[in-house]
Amino acid sequence: GAVVSQHPSWVICKSGTSVKIECRSLDFQATTMFWYRQFPKQSLMLMATSNEGSKATYEQGVEKDKFLINHASLTLSTLTVTSAHPEDSSFYICSATNRRSGSGDTQYFGPGTRLTVL
Amino acid sequence: AQSVTQPDIHITVSEGASLELRCNYSYGATPYLFWYVQSPGQGLQLLLKYFSGDTLVQGIKGFEAEFKRSQSSFNLRKPSVHWSDAAEYFCAVNQGGKLIFGQGTELSVKP
Repeated sequence: GAVVSQHPSWVICKSGTSVKIECRSLDFQATTMFWYRQFPKQSLMLMATSNEGSKATYEQGVEKDKFLINHASLTLSTLTVTSAHPEDSSFYICSATNRRSGSGDTQYFGPGTRLTVL
Repeated sequence: AQSVTQPDIHITVSEGASLELRCNYSYGATPYLFWYVQSPGQGLQLLLKYFSGDTLVQGIKGFEAEFKRSQSSFNLRKPSVHWSDAAEYFCAVNQGGKLIFGQGTELSVKP
């Protein structure tokens, strides 16, 4: 149980284009989803928190107009990197939790998406 | 604000040897603590978690961790390491619904 998927697993795009990454909870309802960014050999950096049906909350320094997050259902959240540039190249990981389940906000992570912007 | 420290950036152990990865946290109340493992190019897999109760927590893949309030520690242990355990290990604490991660410890396993 508690499986989270991401799609695509890797994507290469041209500078200036937009890329959408999907995060799905496959066997549980995710009241809250998180988006992280990870640079090589580093820890995870939280970008934003999204609750189903409401606007995402972005961490300080994260451009909300550049990283659009939508959490339209209890099983799906999307991250759209708009007008991507090479500095946006990174490993993006989502996680999901069900805050109504009494699991202490345990986050379950997706496999990650490697974005390369040329 | 809470913080998590993993003092060891990289550890190498021989296959079959025991393992202990250190994690220290700063938090006023009883924390929710987690250990995750990440293989190269992959997401994070939950190994174990501590919320309350028994301070020795059993996890998957033969791992265990002990919560020691007096030392503000939550060290991860395994009695006999397998080559497949080579990976990055992250300790994390829940702060207001968000996870605060340590810097990670990279584990290498010698044959």
